[in-house]
Amino acid sequence: KQEVTQIPAALSVPEGENLVLNCSFTDSAIYNLQWFRQDPGKGLTSLLLIQSSQREQTSGRLNASLDKSSGRSTLYIAASQPGDSATYLCAVRPGHTDKLIFGTGTRLQVFP
Amino acid sequence: NAGVMQNPRHLVRRRGQEARLRCSPMKGHSHVYWYRQLPEEGLKFMVYLQKENIIDESGMPKERFSAEFPKEGPSILRIQQVVRGDSAAYFCASSLNPGELFFGEGSRLTVL
Repeated sequence: KQEVTQIPAALSVPEGENLVLNCSFTDSAIYNLQWFRQDPGKGLTSLLLIQSSQREQTSGRLNASLDKSSGRSTLYIAASQPGDSATYLCAVRPGHTDKLIFGTGTRLQVFP
Repeated sequence: NAGVMQNPRHLVRRRGQEARLRCSPMKGHSHVYWYRQLPEEGLKFMVYLQKENIIDESGMPKERFSAEFPKEGPSILRIQQVVRGDSAAYFCASSLNPGELFFGEGSRLTVL
């Protein structure tokens, strides 16, 4: 059974810091991995999608890496801003299904 | 191109009533997924549908819950005889399978 874990559960940093959020999964047979952002009381915004054949994806200040064999992904946020404050969710799509398995998220607060 | 549209955004029901949640996928998407997010918990898969077909309902409670995605119109998640434990945020997502999932803003159900 695929399980997804995210650490840390919460993170509070001053503006300008570079951050690393971690995601680990127990079964390396995945089709893809997706990172989302969720603001309080809102829906999920897709940030980055990494296919199983890829090692990383970049969008602006965000970079996500994937090491399928070790069951890990990291989301790197450069030069963090208060507007980055949100919960970041990692989700994997097992290779044999069409559904996403979510981690419980990292709650990020960036203060000025 | 409008995103995934869910309504109502907020719904209040008394125990024993019925709740109907609607989801219109992104234009061109024929794959719809429903997820539930309980307070302080991660998102849990409920059901995956394509037009007129339920593909995977392994996450649906066995009783009181049903889902459909008719040939015309939105996908409907129906909860009969609601109980307080059904209070949660219900999120719909759509995709061009097996691509990236795009989520709606969610429907927040409160059962009194």
